[in-house]
Amino acid sequence: RKEVEQDPGPFNVPEGATVAFNCTYSNSASQSFFWYRQDCRKEPKLLMSVYSSGNEDGRFTAQLNRASQYISLLIRDSKLSDSATYLCVVNIGTGNQFYFGTGTSLTVIP
Amino acid sequence: NAGVTQTPKFQVLKTGQSMTLQCAQDMNHEYMSWYRQDPGMGLRLIHYSVGAGITDQGEVPNGYNVSRSTTEDFPLRLLSAAPSQTSVYFCASSYSGGPREQYFGPGTRLTVT
Repeated sequence: RKEVEQDPGPFNVPEGATVAFNCTYSNSASQSFFWYRQDCRKEPKLLMSVYSSGNEDGRFTAQLNRASQYISLLIRDSKLSDSATYLCVVNIGTGNQFYFGTGTSLTVIP
Repeated sequence: NAGVTQTPKFQVLKTGQSMTLQCAQDMNHEYMSWYRQDPGMGLRLIHYSVGAGITDQGEVPNGYNVSRSTTEDFPLRLLSAAPSQTSVYFCASSYSGGPREQYFGPGTRLTVT
């Protein structure tokens, strides 16, 4: 069983739409959670960390549900520049091993 | 700061050849790691290091060696390349401990024929 599972999509949404991605993780010892963004043929870059109380950064909101072992990312008012693959990342145990989901592809259409 | 740099950007190897992928960072990060990214598989951790002289295996270490003689450099060696090692390789670095951001290099695209 994979440590982290994501719906690969693709999600194709019009500009201005709200879109949500979910990610589930299997290890209850998971301690830290992140969303990374990866543009085509580029390296991943941190979008935001996910805190237990949930957190927001502009149009992006991340939530963590430890009981159900999933994290979510909500993007409001989608922009063309939001088109990318979004990677869910989980850090387990001692904090030295990071597990990545396969990514969810988003295309924002004019 | 250059951040995390990787060389080469592209490489083609024949089966059985060996090579070293270079990774360097100038942020004085203790933690460095290597990942491979394959279609439908996501990034998988190959090896990581929490400081000079300390390395450990990740999820998919077979066929790869690493060493960490300095804080800045963390090379990845392919001992005898196989077609299954065709992939995109990313090096990353971060501070150690707790939730922290990983900074990735631009990647090396390796093809083994």
